[in-house]
Parts: sequence; C-alpha cells; structure tokens
Amino acid sequence: EDKVVQSPLSLVVHEGDTVTLNCSYEVTNFRSLLWYKQEKKAPTFLFMLTSSGIEKKSGRLSSILDKKELSSILNITATQTGDSAIYLCAVIVIQGAQKLVFGQGTRLTINP
Amino acid sequence: DAGITQSPRHKVTETGTPVTLRCHQTENHRYMYWYRQDPGHGLRLIHYSYGVKDTDKGEVSDGYSVSRSKTEDFLLTLESATSSQTSVYFCAAWGVTGFFYGYTFGSGTRLTVV
Repeated sequence: EDKVVQSPLSLVVHEGDTVTLNCSYEVTNFRSLLWYKQEKKAPTFLFMLTSSGIEKKSGRLSSILDKKELSSILNITATQTGDSAIYLCAVIVIQGAQKLVFGQGTRLTINP
Repeated sequence: DAGITQSPRHKVTETGTPVTLRCHQTENHRYMYWYRQDPGHGLRLIHYSYGVKDTDKGEVSDGYSVSRSKTEDFLLTLESATSSQTSVYFCAAWGVTGFFYGYTFGSGTRLTVV
C-alpha cells in the first residue's frame, strides 16, 4: 500500500521563526513529490520535485527531495501570520494509471 | 480553480438517501479524481478515472461509486449516505490548465449527512 507520512502533524511558532516540515514516502513507482498549501479552501500548488538534491525556491519557501532517504522537506524562513495553513505533501504514483497520494498534512500556526 | 467546477458547494442530506456530486472540467483532461478530506487525514483518494468509462478504486472507495460518460464530467455517488461520509469532497484533474501544468482542484463540496 502506498503511504505518505508527514511530521509534525501540528506546529505552533512565533512570527519570524524558521520552520521545517517533513514528508516521507513509501510507494511503488514514484514519479514526483508535490507540496501544497491549504487555507480555507482547495489546496494551492507550491512545488513539484522530481530530481533528488535540487532545491526549489519561491520567496521564503524552499523544498528539496532526497530519493535515497525517500523524503522531502519544506522550509519556510521569516514566517508571517499569512503562512498559517495546512501544508500537504503528495506523491505521484504510476501504477498503470497515475494517482496522487497525500500525507495527513501539517497544520502550521504562526503567532504574532 | 479555473477549469474545474464542483456542484453543489454545500449539501445536507439524510442518512440512507442517495447523493450525487458533480465535477465538471473544461480542459479536456484525461485524468480526474475524487478525494475526501477529514481532520487529521489529509486528502484520501476515493475513485479516479483515466478516461471515459475507465475508472478505478482508491483507498476509501467503500460506499461510493463513480461514473464518467463524458470527458468533462466525473460523478461521485453515495448510494446510501451514512454519517461517516460527512466530509469535504474535492475533485481534481491532471493536465494543463491555463499556464499551469499539474493537478488542479475544484473548490470542494461540503457534505453533511444527518
């Protein structure tokens, strides 16, 4: 069974802190790993990672994939209250057809 | 999101009644998916489709059926709704939507079974 596990499940920090969110996976036929941010509605896309060791950056957010360790991290520096959200990790799996398998999510709360 | 419309947006139904949720896309995507989201579980795959009349089960398919008679529509049916199916349901599709290539999600349907 394909499995994606995120940690921590919940995190509360102060504005300005740096946070690291973790995602590990155990799947057959891995294609790519994706990170999403979810506020009150549908998930919004952050990053897609396919190659190991190549960091992707967008402003204060960055992410990297380690295919040897079957894991990825999402870093957020200088956090702001607007970063408060659920962060979802998902893995694209190819088993004949293509599926997207999600982790449980990390609920990040940034206090002013 | 642009290109994927879910209906209804909210629904309250009684236990034991059938319910159908609709997902409509305008981008000719081949792959479409239905997920449910509950606290502490992320998004869990219910069913997915890889073409007209081609569907398969996800990890939480019990109590749900789907149909895809046209590329643009993917229907999720709860044959006999139960309280455990109270959830937020998201439809997704894979492909190009505008300038974006990847998974695009609908806005969700909040279903309450009383």
